[in-house]
Amino acid sequence: GQNIDQPTEMTATEGAIVQINCTYQTSGFNGLFWYQQHAGEAPTFLSYNVLDGLEEKGRFSSFLSRSKGYSYLLLKELQMKDSASYLCAVMDSNYQLIWGAGTKLIIKP
Amino acid sequence: ETGVTQTPRHLVMGMTNKKSLKCEQHLGHNAMYWYKQSAKKPLELMFVYNFKEQTENNSVPSRFSPECPNSSHLFLHLHTLQPEDSALYLCASSQDRTGDTEAFFGQGTRLTVV
Repeated sequence: GQNIDQPTEMTATEGAIVQINCTYQTSGFNGLFWYQQHAGEAPTFLSYNVLDGLEEKGRFSSFLSRSKGYSYLLLKELQMKDSASYLCAVMDSNYQLIWGAGTKLIIKP
Repeated sequence: ETGVTQTPRHLVMGMTNKKSLKCEQHLGHNAMYWYKQSAKKPLELMFVYNFKEQTENNSVPSRFSPECPNSSHLFLHLHTLQPEDSALYLCASSQDRTGDTEAFFGQGTRLTVV
């Protein structure tokens, strides 16, 4: 079966760095997405990786290793507004998105 | 504001009621989706429409009935639901179904079945 694993919850301190990991087992691979979802709001797109390596976008970076079935989202200089759930999703060979259950990130002052 | 609008935001319905959820996008996207989001569970894809044609139905019970009258609008008709159907229902759209296309989500309808 297809599976996406990510931690249920993480806590970090304002101003610090946090890494949210995602491992996947899917039928084929057409890219990995990270979305951010604040409580009661729509998920919003953060990043897309289809090739191995690190993609940097401001305070957020996303890494992919296809051989290891592994990705992480790195958040730097954490701000209180970064408190949200972070969803990892992989597009399989049928272009269907397989979603993880999300990681709830709690930022403390 | 993502460009995808869902109404209503909240809905409470009895098990014998009939109601409809509405989704609208004016982003010029060709693909539209209905997802179910339950607490601490992955997003569950329910239906996919591509160029107004339904391309996927992921074993969704017949008490959920989608309708896509045009490329900008998507409905989810609900009837004789069960309490376990209570969840957040998210609509999304994307330019197409290829790999590098991000999905834009609406804010969802929080459905409670009593």
